[in-house]
This record gives sequence, structure tokens and C-alpha cells, in this order.
Amino acid sequence: GQQVMQIPQYQHVQEGEDFTTYCNSSTTLSNIQWYKQRPGGHPVFLIQLVKSGEVKKQKRLTFQFGEAKKNSSLHITATQTTDVGTYFCAGPEYGNKLVFGAGTILRVKS
Amino acid sequence: EADIYQTPRYLVIGTGKKITLECSQTMGHDKMYWYQQDPGMELHLIHYSYGVNSTEKGDLSSESTVSRIRTEHFPLTLESARPSHTSQYLCASSYAGGLYNEQFFGPGTRLTVL
Repeated sequence: GQQVMQIPQYQHVQEGEDFTTYCNSSTTLSNIQWYKQRPGGHPVFLIQLVKSGEVKKQKRLTFQFGEAKKNSSLHITATQTTDVGTYFCAGPEYGNKLVFGAGTILRVKS
Repeated sequence: EADIYQTPRYLVIGTGKKITLECSQTMGHDKMYWYQQDPGMELHLIHYSYGVNSTEKGDLSSESTVSRIRTEHFPLTLESARPSHTSQYLCASSYAGGLYNEQFFGPGTRLTVL
């Protein structure tokens, strides 16, 4: 079945440093979604990318969808303590199911 | 207010007990899902439903069962809880049609089986 791999598994940064997590799919995706889960919380939808090569920004967060629609990245500029959490990418499977990556845990030292 | 609710939020029970985790959504979504997640780990789909009277098993084998008698309600039942069932259970829902099918998650139920 479809697999979505995400790296790194864990990253610990100093506040103000940048952070990037990468997502790779074993198959071409029609779209890719990103979610954030705060410690002790539940996943919350951040964004969906649909077009090949698409780039979207949300304040300090930049999301990219690869040209081949098999990979994606989330980049956070100048991390803040509020960015702490686990970031998941997810690709669609048949029937509106989502295949989630394993997630990248971000810790920010202040 | 449109939302997705889960009860209880926390549950500690003894081995062998039957439990039902409740999930309700007021967004009118046709599709609903149950995920199992250990702390700091990935999400595993254990059940999903496309609508009333439709239920399917997910990718992770689970001893739980689900039902979908009403659109807004998708309860999960464990007939005989075991310590291996200790985990967080997350319910989610999504709109059925179109390209944009983001999932909305409930707050989760943290289950501990002693």
C-alpha cells in the first residue's frame, strides 16, 4: 500500500532558528495535507497543497509540494516556543482515507 | 457551533471490562474515522465509515468494533479491555465530496487499562 515517510523524526532547535520537515510518498499524490499536534492535544489541519510545485505561506510557515507531487516540505522561519509540537504530513488514499507520516517532533529551546 | 466531541476524555478501567468510547460531530460530515495513537507516535487508522450503516476496518488490526446508526454518531466499543489497549483514541470526520477533504479531529480519549 501507499507509504508516506517523514524526516527527521525529532528536532530540537534554539528559539529563532529555522526548522524544516520533509515528507516523501511512495506514489504520486493528488494532494498533500499538513497537520500540527500540540503536546497533549489533537491534530489540527494546517493546509492542503494540490498543484505541482505549489508553494503556500502562512506567516512564518512555508509549505511546498514537489514538481512530481511525491514530496513536500514544511519550513518554519525563526521558530518560537508556540511552534512546539508534532507536525504530520498526510496523503490521500482511496475513499478519502489519509495515510499519515510518522510525524516530526519539534522542540524549541528558549 | 459545529464541532466534534469525544467522551470520556480520560478513562481508567480494569482488565476484562466492556467500554464504549463516544464520538459525535455536528458538522454534517458523512465520513468518520477512529485512530489509535501512542504518546509521541504516529496515527494508526483502526476504523472508518463512509456514512450510515457503513463501517470498514482500517490499516491497524484492532479488537474494537464500531457502529454508525446515525450520521453524527460513531461510537467505538471494546468488549473486553486489556492492558495492550492502553492508548489515545482519536475520532475524526471529513466532508465526503470534492478535492478538499481535511479531517477534523476530536480532543481524544486517553484510555488506561490496568
